[in-house]
Amino acid sequence: GQQVMQIPQYQHVQEGEDFTTYCNSSTTLSNIQWYKQRPGGHPVFLIQLVKSGEVKKQKRLTFQFGEAKKNSSLHITATQTTDVGTYFCAGRSNSGYALNFGKGTSLLVTP
Amino acid sequence: NAGVTQTPKFRVLKTGQSMTLLCAQDMNHEYMYWYRQDPGMGLRLIHYSVGEGTTAKGEVPDGYNVSRLKKQNFLLGLESAAPSQTSVYFCASTWGHPKGQETQYFGPGTRLLVL
Repeated sequence: GQQVMQIPQYQHVQEGEDFTTYCNSSTTLSNIQWYKQRPGGHPVFLIQLVKSGEVKKQKRLTFQFGEAKKNSSLHITATQTTDVGTYFCAGRSNSGYALNFGKGTSLLVTP
Repeated sequence: NAGVTQTPKFRVLKTGQSMTLLCAQDMNHEYMYWYRQDPGMGLRLIHYSVGEGTTAKGEVPDGYNVSRLKKQNFLLGLESAAPSQTSVYFCASTWGHPKGQETQYFGPGTRLLVL
């Protein structure tokens, strides 16, 4: 079945440094979504990418969807302490009803 | 709108006991999902429903049953709880991909401890 792998599992950065998490699928995805979960909270939708090679930006966050629609990345420029949390990618294949979530990347930002 | 709500927020069970987790959404969403989240394992899909009266198995369905008798509610049942079912359970809902609106809205979660 479809698997979504996410790396790294953990990342610890100093405030102001950049951060990137990567997501790879074993199969071609119909779309990919990114979620953020704050400690003790629930996942919250950030963005959805649909088109091959698509790039979207939300302030300091840049999301990319690979040309082959099998990989994606989330890049945060100049991290802030408010960026702390776990970032999940989730992909859906063309034939599936459900999203397959990666295991997430936990980001810790120290001042 | 309340969005997605879950009850209870926290529960302690003894091995062998049963319980039902309730998820309710007021957004008229077609699709609903139950996930469990364990440290280092991410979100794993237990069961899902693509409409009232329908259910389907996800990645880790064993030991759980579900029902979707009303469109706004999705119930998750544990007939005989086991310590391995200690987890945080999240419910989510979405319009459904045929309509192009796939954002999953998550509830606040239910923390379950099985002793």
